[in-house]
Amino acid sequence: EPEVTQTPSHQVTQMGQEVILRCVPISNHLYFYWYRQILGQKVEFLVSFYNNEISEKSEIFDDQFSVERPDGSNFTLKIRSTKLEDSAMYFCASRGLAGEETQYFGPGTRLLVL
Amino acid sequence: GDSVTQMEGPVTLSEEAFLTINCTYTATGYPSLFWYVQYPGEGLQLLLKATKADDKGSNKGFEATYRKETTSFHLEKGSVQVSDSAVYFCALSVLGGYQKVTFGTGTKLQVIP
Repeated sequence: EPEVTQTPSHQVTQMGQEVILRCVPISNHLYFYWYRQILGQKVEFLVSFYNNEISEKSEIFDDQFSVERPDGSNFTLKIRSTKLEDSAMYFCASRGLAGEETQYFGPGTRLLVL
Repeated sequence: GDSVTQMEGPVTLSEEAFLTINCTYTATGYPSLFWYVQYPGEGLQLLLKATKADDKGSNKGFEATYRKETTSFHLEKGSVQVSDSAVYFCALSVLGGYQKVTFGTGTKLQVIP
């Protein structure tokens, strides 16, 4: 069964450093998403991406964040200058056609900012 | 905006007990409803879904019925197992637009032998 994959599974970084989280969505999917889950809290929407551009973003997704689909298979989330409060689990998700309602989530990347 | 409210946890049950996790929602449009499960140390897995009123989603012995009149989507299982111990998230997505998923806060279930 096709699945969403994410790398790395864990990342530790120093405050102020840039990190790139990588995702490979399901191959024929068209809609891509990032969510985050701070430890013990609920999963929050960050951004959606369609047709090579951001389609919606939340208040959390400020200028420190960016997304890219550089090569038609990978989907990346970049945090330019990490803060302590960016420590969280980051989930990538993808969805197929316009009428398909289910998003399929990857296993997540646990980011720890020291 | 859209929101999902689910019962506070943790919920501790003995094996073979009956499980109910309550979930209610508010949505600006006509939502699809989901239950996702997160096992310890793992990511989010879709457990079941329902896309229209009175639909019943089911999987692995879990069931939930889309109740439009009460805006609810309660999760039930007749006989829980230790392996069901996990965090359960109720969620919705409104058809149209880019369909972000809105999650509830999650309910941790612990099943003891």
